Amino acid sequence: DAKTTQPNSMESNEEEPVHLPCNHSTISGTDYIHWYRQLPSQGPEYVIHGLTSNVNNRMASLAIAEDRKSSTLILHRATLRDAAVYYCILRERNNDMRFGAGTRLTVKP
Amino acid sequence: NAGVMQNPRHLVRRRGQEARLRCSPMKGHSHVYWYRQLPEEGLKFMVYLQKENIIDESGMPKERFSAEFPKEGPSILRIQQVVRGDSAAYFCASSQTGGPQPQHFGDGTRLSIL
Repeated sequence: DAKTTQPNSMESNEEEPVHLPCNHSTISGTDYIHWYRQLPSQGPEYVIHGLTSNVNNRMASLAIAEDRKSSTLILHRATLRDAAVYYCILRERNNDMRFGAGTRLTVKP
Repeated sequence: NAGVMQNPRHLVRRRGQEARLRCSPMKGHSHVYWYRQLPEEGLKFMVYLQKENIIDESGMPKERFSAEFPKEGPSILRIQQVVRGDSAAYFCASSQTGGPQPQHFGDGTRLSIL
């Protein structure tokens, strides 16, 4: 099964950009790359997903390497509200999502 | 537009009792997924249902656990004869279609076993 590797934790200053990396060297050609985040005592929240091309939405941008073996979630201007655990997930089958330990992002004022 | 609703938010049971967790998906969503999260860990997939059908239960323990999503009403995750190891947060998610579409999560039910 294709797995993802993320740093355990990262820190950022408020109003600065944040780049959250994810390695997925065994990704298959049909795997989508999804990002979710989880705030304390809440369920995960969808952030963004992509297959091959870079993607942008109102929350974040997703940069996917040309060989698809890594990707980066970009928060353009971190706020205190962005402090959460961020999960990078490969959709191996149509519906099964495998969450790893994620990256705990701390945002300093 | 109500999101995914789970109840109860907190549930306390004694060992040997039954726990019933309910999930109402977002309006218009017919696909429901259940996940379990142990403290300080990521979510683990349990089961995927589409109205009245179990599509994938590969993450569900073989004994004591069952799930249903009837034609009318919420999806139910049932745990019989609970044990201490069942203590966890149980999250439900829904999506409009299957495939690699985003899943929308509820805020979970925190189950504590005394």
